[in-house]
Amino acid sequence: AQKVTQAQTEISVVEKEDVTLDCVYETRDTTYYLFWYKQPPSGELVFLIRRNSFDEQNEISGRYSWNFQKSTSSFNFTITASQVVDSAVYFCALSGQGGSEKLVFGKGTKLTVNP
Amino acid sequence: NAGVTQTPKFRVLKTGQSMTLLCAQDMNHEYMYWYRQDPGMGLRLIHYSVGEGTTAKGEVPDGYNVSRLKKQNFLLGLESAAPSQTSVYFCASSHFRESTGELFFGEGSRLTVL
Repeated sequence: AQKVTQAQTEISVVEKEDVTLDCVYETRDTTYYLFWYKQPPSGELVFLIRRNSFDEQNEISGRYSWNFQKSTSSFNFTITASQVVDSAVYFCALSGQGGSEKLVFGKGTKLTVNP
Repeated sequence: NAGVTQTPKFRVLKTGQSMTLLCAQDMNHEYMYWYRQDPGMGLRLIHYSVGEGTTAKGEVPDGYNVSRLKKQNFLLGLESAAPSQTSVYFCASSHFRESTGELFFGEGSRLTVL
């Protein structure tokens, strides 16, 4: 069975601090995909990134960066110089060889960035 | 720029009442999904559809029915609402199987069952 664990339920930081959101996954599939979604206070989930199991290169997009390590089954998300607009619930998700209908979400980490 | 639209956004029901949530997408996506989001539980898949006229059960299908009569619409029905179905419901769509999880979500529908 596939599982995604986001151990951090809530994180609170002060603006401009760096923050890392942890994600640990479990799967028996050899091919799988990992995702991060953002859910701002408005409620709609927004896709941030997809990474496949064959690509362990870290990715950076502006202030966002993602660290994928198969050895530790982790796909952590770092926000550099956080801003108030980063306040949201962030979900890590995993889909295996079953396709997108088998997408499994973690329980989410609520990030609050205080001014 | 509509994307995925859910109606209604809010609804209060009494136990035993029935209702239907409508999801419409204008991206010509084959796949559509209904999730529910509960505090501390993340998102759980209720039902999904891989194309017009097809539906399948997800992780938590009991108490819900769905229909996909048109490619752009996916309906979620509650025949006899229960307080345990109080939740925020999200519809999502994706282009095809190989999109492997890049879902486009609606804004959610908050349902309260008294």
